[in-house]
Amino acid sequence: EDQVTQSPEALRLQEGESSSLNCSYTVSGLRGLFWYRQDPGKGPEFLFTLYSAGEEKEKERLKATLTKKESFLHITAPKPEDSATYLCAVQAPGAAGNKLTFGGGTRVLVKP
Amino acid sequence: GAVVSQHPSRVICKSGTSVKIECRSLDFQATTMFWYRQFPKQSLMLMATSNEGSKATYEQGVEKDKFLINHASLTLSTLTVTSAHPEDSSFYICSARAGGGFTDTQYFGPGTRLTVL
Repeated sequence: EDQVTQSPEALRLQEGESSSLNCSYTVSGLRGLFWYRQDPGKGPEFLFTLYSAGEEKEKERLKATLTKKESFLHITAPKPEDSATYLCAVQAPGAAGNKLTFGGGTRVLVKP
Repeated sequence: GAVVSQHPSRVICKSGTSVKIECRSLDFQATTMFWYRQFPKQSLMLMATSNEGSKATYEQGVEKDKFLINHASLTLSTLTVTSAHPEDSSFYICSARAGGGFTDTQYFGPGTRLTVL
């Protein structure tokens, strides 16, 4: 069974204090790993898709990396508007309907 | 691009009534749409996968007679919560997969907050 574990569950940062979020996964083969951002009371917003180990993607202050066992979301010099829950999800070969398996999320709070 | 809408954004209903939630892909065609449920401070729980023109595939433990899903066109899927009860109160989110590839991204709607009194 595919499993996704995110850590830490919650993260409090000062503005400008860089940090990393972890997403560990267990799948029998990986079609894709997805990162989403979710604000309270809203649907997840797509950030990145990573397909193979060694791949990296960046968007503003966010950078996602991927190994064979985990992915990291690095937040560089965060601002208060980066406060959100960050969700990681994996898609495995043969997953019915190409469904995603989500981790529990990391709630990030950036204080000014 | 890749915008998904949901309607309504909030709904309050009495116990025993049925509620319909619409999910639309506004600027792309979605052969597959997904319905999720999310409880406070928890992650998304997949309820069902909906393919245009065919019956939905429900996850284990989800009552298909209670949560009716219709995917009548490439841009519209609906979720009807039948005979709603307070325990059905939750945040319902749909997503739509753009394209027909295996790793095409799912784009999510803004969600619908259902409160059953």
